[in-house]
Amino acid sequence: QVHLVQSGAEVKKPGASVKVSCKASGYTFATYYMHWVRQAPGQGLEWMGMINPNGDTTTYAQKLQGRVTMTSDTSTSTVYMELSSLTSEDTAVYYCARDYGSGSYYLFYWGQGTLVTVSS
Amino acid sequence: SSELTQDPAVSVALGQTVRITCQGDSLRSYYASWSQQKPGQAPVLVLYGNNNRPSGIPGRFSGSYSGNTSSLTITGAQAEDEADYYCDSRDSSGNYGVFGGGTKLTVL
Repeated sequence: QVHLVQSGAEVKKPGASVKVSCKASGYTFATYYMHWVRQAPGQGLEWMGMINPNGDTTTYAQKLQGRVTMTSDTSTSTVYMELSSLTSEDTAVYYCARDYGSGSYYLFYWGQGTLVTVSS
Repeated sequence: SSELTQDPAVSVALGQTVRITCQGDSLRSYYASWSQQKPGQAPVLVLYGNNNRPSGIPGRFSGSYSGNTSSLTITGAQAEDEADYYCDSRDSSGNYGVFGGGTKLTVL
């Protein structure tokens, strides 16, 4: 059974960085791409990017390029999403979501979400 | 602005059929997927590709395509289907993911 377990809530000051983790289990980690999606309070879903854990190839949303970094650790079956230069507009719930395969963009399994609050 | 367009809200009477649509030029080239999100919960995939349902998703959920529009149809809507529904696919370049703005479904 596939499980994606994310790290806990974070509170950060403007200008800081945050790193959210997503530990996967129940499948062969390196075989499936992982996406990151965020949702601001009361708003819709926003695709942030994806990573191929087999080689760490990444694709980032143009809006976030330069501020977002996605990495993976195959030894612990964990992917990470780091977002820098935070502003209040980055306050959101951040989700990891496993792809159906190799970049199909079908988000088959979702983590429970991590609330990141940016406040001075 | 989103490259995929959804109606913000739709309502349906209990037991009736409702169609939720998603429009975008990229849908002429790429399939969409549909996720259901209830308040305070993570999204759940209900439909993907050419009318495929993940294991455990009821058969009352189905999908179709016409031109630049993907549709999610719920035949015999139940109270538990009340939720926000999001379509997603690739953008027009094919290089990035994109979500529709979401549709809030109310079951009356």
